[in-house]
Amino acid sequence: GEDVEQSLFLSVREGDSSVINCTYTDSSSTYLYWYKQEPGAGLQLLTYIFSNMDMKQDQRLTVLLNKKDKHLSLRIADTQTGDSAIYFCAESYNFNKFYFGSGTKLNVKP
Amino acid sequence: GAVVSQHPSRVICKSGTSVKIECRSLDFQATTMFWYRQFPKKSLMLMATSNEGSKATYEQGVEKDKFLINHASLTLSTLTVTSAHPEDSSFYICSARDRQGGVSNEKLFFGSGTQLSVL
Repeated sequence: GEDVEQSLFLSVREGDSSVINCTYTDSSSTYLYWYKQEPGAGLQLLTYIFSNMDMKQDQRLTVLLNKKDKHLSLRIADTQTGDSAIYFCAESYNFNKFYFGSGTKLNVKP
Repeated sequence: GAVVSQHPSRVICKSGTSVKIECRSLDFQATTMFWYRQFPKKSLMLMATSNEGSKATYEQGVEKDKFLINHASLTLSTLTVTSAHPEDSSFYICSARDRQGGVSNEKLFFGSGTQLSVL
């Protein structure tokens, strides 16, 4: 499978911005995704970006893609305690398979 | 958004028994469903890809006779863990790709997962 890497932990204060980073190896990826997982639950699709885009914004979420460096980031503005969860980045080539990173546990302190 | 229902959410069984996990797409048709296994504090490991009406494609290292997958309809896929052992204890998650108008969609939606504990 392809390698998708993320840092394991991130801790921020409520109201600050959070930036979660991800690197991947497959240059043929078509789509890149961010998923959120709360304890004991499945994964919730937050947002995704097509590989020919550099940036996508959706309310408090901003996704940045540097295709040259194979680097993806998710910025959460005005982070709330309800944003505490594990965030997974994933890549897909033509939707046939999805490869996930190890997940970044975001802890938001009040 | 699309809803994927996974059942049961939690199951405890004795070693040697078989356990069936169901995955249903409630408001869309899914020609392809994926089964993942998640270890504590680890990422999701793709086990197999399930296509409606055909045999599942298993990832390397996953025993197809151990983990039986059936995708009988466009809305239902099942994973049966046969002769379960304690090392099979894990969190299993299914996912489905939305098929709109005959064209596969790029979005992948997940069930809520099943925590399997084998005693």
